[in-house]
Amino acid sequence: QQQVKQSPQSLIVQKGGISIINCAYENTAFDYFPWYQQFPGKGPALLIAIRPDVSEKKEGRFTISFNKSAKQFSLHIMDSQPGDSATYFCAASYYGGTSYGKLTFGQGTILTVHP
Amino acid sequence: SAVISQKPSRDICQRGTSLTIQCQVDSQVTMMFWYRQQPGQSLTLIATANQGSEATYESGFVIDKFPISRPNLTFSTLTVSNMSPEDSSIYLCSVREEKLFFGSGTQLSVL
Repeated sequence: QQQVKQSPQSLIVQKGGISIINCAYENTAFDYFPWYQQFPGKGPALLIAIRPDVSEKKEGRFTISFNKSAKQFSLHIMDSQPGDSATYFCAASYYGGTSYGKLTFGQGTILTVHP
Repeated sequence: SAVISQKPSRDICQRGTSLTIQCQVDSQVTMMFWYRQQPGQSLTLIATANQGSEATYESGFVIDKFPISRPNLTFSTLTVSNMSPEDSSIYLCSVREEKLFFGSGTQLSVL
């Protein structure tokens, strides 16, 4: 009920291409869906987050698409750059209240962008 | 956003010993959390560090193994007790403001 499933496990993209990472969740009570980027030796850094009242959110080259009925959301990285090479995690949580911050993470996607 | 400092950044410890990890935040925050990231794996929530009261542990984690202190709104510690090689992980402190932020983590290796 609490799982978040992420795919693919790894992804190789050419510079300038589009990277797409997908996540599916089970708990329909989740209402906060962030994406984190993690470089080796660093903690996860918040990239972008969405709540279920919108179907898409864009910040720069990063876009989240959200499909509430399918219980799926995805991260699109446009014009991918070698500096985007990192591990990406999707997550889900309740928004607000004492449970906000208790993130359930996906398994992670290792993104490699070739120059 | 909050600036989160964790100490130590890494350590190598012997089996059976304990290590205390510190998390310092540059502002007062209500909610602080501790996560574990096992090698090559995702992040799992260990517990919520409650200021002035006992921590709230997630399923699979117990206070005797992972005692947590939260003496004020800017500081918390996590102790990994009686360590075994299976405890080798990255331990991360997280704080909740409007958004959720992570420290850089403590990489622990247990021999």
